Amino acid sequence: NAGVTQTPKFRVLKTGQSMTLLCAQDMNHEYMYWYRQDPGMGLRLIHYSVGEGTTAKGEVPDGYNVSRLKKQNFLLGLESAAPSQTSVYFCASSYSGTSGKIYNEQFFGPGTRLTVL
Amino acid sequence: AQKITQTQPGMFVQEKEAVTLDCTYDTSDPSYGLFWYKQPSSGEMIFLIYQGSYDQQNATEGRYSLNFQKARKSANLVISASQLGDSAMYFCAMREPSGTGRRALTFGSGTRLQVQP
Repeated sequence: NAGVTQTPKFRVLKTGQSMTLLCAQDMNHEYMYWYRQDPGMGLRLIHYSVGEGTTAKGEVPDGYNVSRLKKQNFLLGLESAAPSQTSVYFCASSYSGTSGKIYNEQFFGPGTRLTVL
Repeated sequence: AQKITQTQPGMFVQEKEAVTLDCTYDTSDPSYGLFWYKQPSSGEMIFLIYQGSYDQQNATEGRYSLNFQKARKSANLVISASQLGDSAMYFCAMREPSGTGRRALTFGSGTRLQVQP
């Protein structure tokens, strides 16, 4: 199993450009998340999804949109990139069961380092 | 709202010694989960250990143990017999109550651990 994968790994954008980050998981997880990590800080939740076709806002959703057309994929879009969106972006997924060790772990992708000039 | 506090921005430890990384949390929900993640310089998030609020025993995973003191709302990570490869950033995180439906994680700001030979 590949686990959680993210593409691309690195990207440099100019202010105003758009891009889409792709997250894919092969663990049949229901829940998927997008977080951002800024220097010296922990991860903060941007958007999340509790199942195919559903998405919702997290703590810092402004400037981002998401889609989950397929259960295994969760896309994060930046419509008009701003320097404040320079960050490392992590996708994560988790099991939706109610018991057992696997219920408790949130699996993370390797991250995408985005720089907006 | 939940909050995680890690008051040690940086820690040093000698190789083969034990080290404790502090974490305090704030929540009004009686059911919650606490996690520790390791982030090496390569950037990925590595799950270390989980503690449920109703678990009677402190969690252990190999050289990692979680010193869970519910009344004090603390969930300190203890690493025994430190190794050079333990040098990394360590994040404490709390999973949101099941009632929110999101199960997203709230992270602390992290502690950078450096193991010295």
